[in-house]
Amino acid sequence: AQSVTQLGSHVSVSEGALVLLRCNYSSSVPPYLFWYVQYPNQGLQLLLKYTSAATLVKGINGFEAEFKKSETSFHLRKPSVHISDTAEYFCAVSEGRWDFGNEKLTFGTGTRLTIIP
Amino acid sequence: KAGVTQTPRYLIKTRGQQVTLSCSPISGHRSVSWYQQTPGQGLQFLFEYFSETQRNKGNFPGRFSGRQFSNSRSEMNVSTLELGDSALYLCASRLRGLDYGYTFGSGTRLTVV
Repeated sequence: AQSVTQLGSHVSVSEGALVLLRCNYSSSVPPYLFWYVQYPNQGLQLLLKYTSAATLVKGINGFEAEFKKSETSFHLRKPSVHISDTAEYFCAVSEGRWDFGNEKLTFGTGTRLTIIP
Repeated sequence: KAGVTQTPRYLIKTRGQQVTLSCSPISGHRSVSWYQQTPGQGLQFLFEYFSETQRNKGNFPGRFSGRQFSNSRSEMNVSTLELGDSALYLCASRLRGLDYGYTFGSGTRLTVV
């Protein structure tokens, strides 16, 4: 079974600073990888996804992530954060296959990002 | 295009009761998945329905069940509620495989007292 590790359950950075949120997965086979954001009392919103195309993936709101197969990592970064980026961020990896009928997402435990004005 | 709609948004139930949650997927999406989110266990996969059939199931007791209708709307039922069932229940729809990605609803917050 897949596992996803997000280092740092809480991260605080100043507005305008660079932020890096770390994600490592366990599989040796590159799966589909995702980053989702969750605002208070909301569902999950897709930030970006990796689906075996370019290793540097650009998402919404200025976020990007780089897939590194050798490091089994998919870290999320944003060069200059804004107050509105305060939220919880989840890394997720796919397991199984659609045509096998067993495809699903496995999520990390999340990183709560606080932006300090 | 309307998003994934979950009703109700909030629900308070008493231990031992049963509850039904509803999810309407994005138009054209035939796959609906359910996830449970709790502070202790995080996000866990409950089950997936596609074309009215359960395709995949997570590691939850039989008290958790679901179904999907011909219009792709899905319901999730929890019987004999326990305090530990208090959670945010998220529904997600997709067109097909995960290369298309999930679209999540805003969730139903269930509190069991």
